[in-house]
Amino acid sequence: EIVLTQSPDTLSLSPGERATLSCRASQSVTSNYLAWYQQKPGQAPRLLIAGASSRATGIPDRFSGSGSGSDFTLTISRLEPEDFAVYYCQQYSAWTGTFGQGTKLEIK
Amino acid sequence: EVQLVQSGAEVKKPGESLKISCKGSGYSFINYWIAWVRQMPGKGLEWMGIIYPGNSDTRYSPSFQGQVTISADKSISTAYLQWNNLEASDTAMYYCARRGSGNYFLLDVWGKGTTVTVSS
Repeated sequence: EIVLTQSPDTLSLSPGERATLSCRASQSVTSNYLAWYQQKPGQAPRLLIAGASSRATGIPDRFSGSGSGSDFTLTISRLEPEDFAVYYCQQYSAWTGTFGQGTKLEIK
Repeated sequence: EVQLVQSGAEVKKPGESLKISCKGSGYSFINYWIAWVRQMPGKGLEWMGIIYPGNSDTRYSPSFQGQVTISADKSISTAYLQWNNLEASDTAMYYCARRGSGNYFLLDVWGKGTTVTVSS
């Protein structure tokens, strides 16, 4: 089973700043099978990025994904107040999926 | 509108059985995989397993194999997650989510979640 490790656990930034979230896999992940989700308190997760770099429908272009192999990154170019949430990466391989432990993006 | 509607919150005692549901609408239910995801209080997301309602092909995470049963009834567009012997550690929010179509693996539609509380 592939283990995803996200860093940092918590990221404290101000609105308008740039956020860079990392997701590292214990072995190589097919890029098509790497996704990012956002979860706000009391809500279900929401798909942000699929295929490592493709924004889901309706996701603002300040969100971008990159990476390949075992290192992936979610970047939020200029933080808006509504972006403060928990972010998870997720992969699927060998008929099972795993999530990273999450990065909490909090207001500084 | 494409949506997954999950059954309501449950409060159970240890040792009891439980089956929660996830009903799809607004799309061809039999043609999309449905995943189940656990979120324990204050914790992250955990992959439990996935089912293809068209033929009930089911794949479990090793962590949940033998602990739960995932099933589907395509005639009523509903997927299920079942326990035969609940434990306090099963207390969590459980989400179902649809795997979207195409070459990517993505969970594009999520239910609102079902809260399960197991307490004596």
